[in-house]
Amino acid sequence: NAGVMQNPRHLVRRRGQEARLRCSPMKGHSHVYWYRQLPEEGLKFMVYLQKENIIDESGMPKERFSAEFPKEGPSILRIQQVVRGDSAAYFCASSPLWNRDVGYGYTFGSGTRLTVV
Amino acid sequence: AQKVTQAQTEISVVEKEDVTLDCVYETRDTTYYLFWYKQPPSGELVFLIRRNSFDEQNEISGRYSWNFQKSTSSFNFTITASQVVDSAVYFCALTSPNDYKLSFGAGTTVTVRA
Repeated sequence: NAGVMQNPRHLVRRRGQEARLRCSPMKGHSHVYWYRQLPEEGLKFMVYLQKENIIDESGMPKERFSAEFPKEGPSILRIQQVVRGDSAAYFCASSPLWNRDVGYGYTFGSGTRLTVV
Repeated sequence: AQKVTQAQTEISVVEKEDVTLDCVYETRDTTYYLFWYKQPPSGELVFLIRRNSFDEQNEISGRYSWNFQKSTSSFNFTITASQVVDSAVYFCALTSPNDYKLSFGAGTTVTVRA
């Protein structure tokens, strides 16, 4: 496991369809974070998950978006009934734990570029 | 609340010129961490550096150097003798021990022309 793996790399969906983005954290990492990068903008935090738990979803839109990180398998970011405004790059990051003493140990994946047509 | 401002939207230089990217941050925390990331045209995020707030030493790594000044809340990044491969979007980011989220600036697009 060379790093955080995200797939697919590119995803095209028609308006109204569902989009499922997958993120496999680095080996030994039990914390996953999703960020969204809208065109011409920086990354914005969406959600923080540990295995089987959502810790902080304060950055997630209230409707149509959901995230999970099951006991087995990758973390999934799910967008229902996609609209053009959902077109963005979605990045996943993972860490072994939130270490307050040594700062942040994030590792980002390569991102999934979602295009809604 | 934490905030990162990258006032320069785009910078265009000719190869071998130096380019400095500005980053100004706001935080109420006395301990915090600053980052720079590179996003090349291929889209992935490449980690460049992490700096702790209690370490004000400037850092040099090859053609890259960083100037951290707490007095002005700035963490500027200089590319010396730029090359075409340096063309990318560069992001400055901030977090603290009390917040696991990274706060990103809007990014600066650097274009290096041959």
